[in-house]
Amino acid sequence: NAGVTQTPKFRVLKTGQSMTLLCAQDMNHEYMYWYRQDPGMGLRLIHYSVGEGTTAKGEVPDGYNVSRLKKQNFLLGLESAAPSQTSVYFCASSSGGYIAEQFFGPGTRLTVL
Amino acid sequence: AQSVTQLGSHVSVSEGALVLLRCNYSSSVPPYLFWYVQYPNQGLQLLLKYTTGATLVKGINGFEAEFKKSETSFHLTKPSAHMSDAAEYFCAVGGGATNKLIFGTGTLLAVQP
Repeated sequence: NAGVTQTPKFRVLKTGQSMTLLCAQDMNHEYMYWYRQDPGMGLRLIHYSVGEGTTAKGEVPDGYNVSRLKKQNFLLGLESAAPSQTSVYFCASSSGGYIAEQFFGPGTRLTVL
Repeated sequence: AQSVTQLGSHVSVSEGALVLLRCNYSSSVPPYLFWYVQYPNQGLQLLLKYTTGATLVKGINGFEAEFKKSETSFHLTKPSAHMSDAAEYFCAVGGGATNKLIFGTGTLLAVQP
């Protein structure tokens, strides 16, 4: 099993450009999450999904959109990137909300110039 | 609302010394508490979790944590630090109607030879 994979691993964007981060999991998990990690701020939840076709906002959703068209995939989109979105992005999946262990991907390091 | 406070963003110990990483939580419902570890350039991995029952929880790599409701704490300990324990450690809390975890800001553990 590959677990949780993220594509790409690194990306540099210019302000105003758009991009999509792909997260895939092969554990048949219902729940998937997108976090951003910034120095001194821990992990902050951007959006999450409790099942195929569902999405919900987390703590810091502004400037991001998500889609969960297939159970195994969770996409995070930036429509118009801003320097404040420079961060490391982590995807995670779990079988049961906050009760179950979250399995994390390796992260995507995004720099917006 | 739930929150987590990790006291000490950086902790340094000598190899073989006791490791103590502090976590205090706030929750209006019975909490579910977690410790995750992040090694350099990797995603997070679950160390241990408290859901219900025994208040002393044992995790991987010799770590354990004790849930103290009266002190609203869930401190992480390890009797003897190893060089391989150098990493960032995150405490997290979940519970109630939410499907989310709230993470602390992390504690970076350095182990000196």
